Amino acid sequence: GENVEQHPSTLSVQEGDSAVIKCTYSDSASNYFPWYKQELGKRPQLIIDIRSNVGEKKDQRIAVTLNKTAKHFSLHITETQPEDSAVYFCAASNGDDKIIFGKGTRLHILP
Amino acid sequence: DGGITQSPKYLFRKEGQNVTLSCEQNLNHDAMYWYRQDPGQGLRLIYYSQIVNDFQKGDIAEGYSVSREKKESFPLTVTSAQKNPTAFYLCASSIGSRSNSPLHFGNGTRLTVT
Repeated sequence: GENVEQHPSTLSVQEGDSAVIKCTYSDSASNYFPWYKQELGKRPQLIIDIRSNVGEKKDQRIAVTLNKTAKHFSLHITETQPEDSAVYFCAASNGDDKIIFGKGTRLHILP
Repeated sequence: DGGITQSPKYLFRKEGQNVTLSCEQNLNHDAMYWYRQDPGQGLRLIYYSQIVNDFQKGDIAEGYSVSREKKESFPLTVTSAQKNPTAFYLCASSIGSRSNSPLHFGNGTRLTVT
């Protein structure tokens, strides 16, 4: 079955700098790759997703890149702000049955 | 106001007792999911249902049971057979029956078993 690895588990960046979180997946049939943000004590919420027919997608300060050959995808956050502090989860799905999540990255934005 | 409602927010039980967590959605979504969240473990899938009266085991189904008698409801029972039931449980739903749609999560139920 699908396995999703996420790195790093914890990331601290200075406010205003960029943050990058990386994920790899094992199932070459996976075609949907969402990213969720979970603030402390709250529910996970989708922040961006990408499908296998595109290599990059941007939404303001957030971007996701996908390398199907290498089976990895990354989340990029530019000009980080205090409200970006949260746990971020990547996930992968082949569209048939279930979405598999990575173990999460705790992002700290330092003042 | 559409969404997913999980109740209760906090639940306390004695070891050996079964307990049922409620999950209701009014989004008219076909698929519903139960995840367990433990520190450092991410979100692990317990059970999922893509259509009424049908459900499949996820990666950690042992000690849990579910039912899907109505489209809007997907209750999870944590049985006494679950070795480490204390955790944060999240219910989610998605439009359509395939897994390549965004998940909408409830606010979760924190279960403590002593």
